[in-house]
Amino acid sequence: KQEVTQIPAALSVPEGENLVLNCSFTDSAIYNLQWFRQDPGKGLTSLLLIQSSQREQTSGRLNASLDKSSGRSTLYIAASQPGDSATYLCAVPTSGSRLTFGEGTQLTVNP
Amino acid sequence: SAVISQKPSRDICQRGTSLTIQCQVDSQVTMMFWYRQQPGQSLTLIATANQGSEATYESGFVIDKFPISRPNLTFSTLTVSNMSPEDSSIYLCSVVIGSKETQYFGPGTRLLVL
Repeated sequence: KQEVTQIPAALSVPEGENLVLNCSFTDSAIYNLQWFRQDPGKGLTSLLLIQSSQREQTSGRLNASLDKSSGRSTLYIAASQPGDSATYLCAVPTSGSRLTFGEGTQLTVNP
Repeated sequence: SAVISQKPSRDICQRGTSLTIQCQVDSQVTMMFWYRQQPGQSLTLIATANQGSEATYESGFVIDKFPISRPNLTFSTLTVSNMSPEDSSIYLCSVVIGSKETQYFGPGTRLLVL
């Protein structure tokens, strides 16, 4: 059974700092990994999807990496802003695109 | 991407009653899912909503408690039946779009059961 773990559970940083969020998964036989953002009480916004054949994917200040063999992914946020404050979730698909989610990292960026 | 809407956005219900949540997508999609997010927790998949056939439920979820309809490729409903306070959660629908199989989520329905 796939298990997804995210570290740290919570992170508080000053504005402008670069930061890394970690995601690990137990079954490396995945075909992609997706990072989401969730604002309090809201739905999920897709940030980045990395295919299993890729090592990195970038969107603006966000960069996600994937190391399938070690079962790890990282989300790098450059020059963090207060508007980046949210919970960040990673998820991997099992058969039929059913997603297994990590518990999330709650990020607070202080002005 | 896709534009996904859910109704209602939130509701407060009495225990023992039922609530039907609607999910509407602006394009035809093959794969549609329903997830639950209990307070302070991550998302758990309830079921896959199959068009024209019965939904496929995950372990721990049953059709009597969470009946699902999928009459066409743009719409689905999830009913939370005979509710108890433990059903208080955010319920989200999602769809898979594109060759890369990116999953997109609706805004969620926030349910509080008293």
